[in-house]
Amino acid sequence: KQEVTQIPAALSVPEGENLVLNCSFTDSAIYNLQWFRQDPGKGLTSLLLIQSSQREQTSGRLNASLDKSSGRSTLYIAASQPGDSATYLCAPMDSSYKLIFGSGTRLLVRP
Amino acid sequence: DAGVTQSPTHLIKTRGQQVTLRCSPKSGHDTVSWYQQALGQGPQFIFQYYEEEERQRGNFPDRFSGHQFPNYSSELNVNALLLGDSALYLCASSHDRGLFFGPGTRLTVL
Repeated sequence: KQEVTQIPAALSVPEGENLVLNCSFTDSAIYNLQWFRQDPGKGLTSLLLIQSSQREQTSGRLNASLDKSSGRSTLYIAASQPGDSATYLCAPMDSSYKLIFGSGTRLLVRP
Repeated sequence: DAGVTQSPTHLIKTRGQQVTLRCSPKSGHDTVSWYQQALGQGPQFIFQYYEEEERQRGNFPDRFSGHQFPNYSSELNVNALLLGDSALYLCASSHDRGLFFGPGTRLTVL
């Protein structure tokens, strides 16, 4: 049974800092892995998708890496801004398009 | 492209009642999944529909049922509501790569 852990559970940083969010998963037989952003009370916005054959994906200030064999993914956010404040969720996907989520990292970027 | 849409946005029910939530997938997507998200937790997989059939099911009781229509839209039905069913219900659609989520329906059971 896939289990996903995200560390830290919460993070508060001043604006402009570079930061790393960590995700670990127990079953390396994944199809891909997605990172999502969730604002309070809202749905999930897909940030990055990494196929199992890929090592990383980049979009703007975001970079996600995947080490499938060790069951780890990281989300790197460069030059953080107050608008980045949200909960970030990591979710590996199995071959039937089912996502398993961690509890997320709550990020607060202080002006 | 409207993306994934869900209705209603919010819903308040009492224990024992039944509720139906609706989802329209992103254009071109034929697979619809439903997730339940309790406050402070990550979403939990309920079930997935493809070609009008339930293809996979998570660890949810039979009170949770669903349906997919020929136009790929979907409904989630919950019978005999319990207080613990209060949550954000998220619908996601997919075709090939990745899932796209709707804004969710906030269900409160009193």
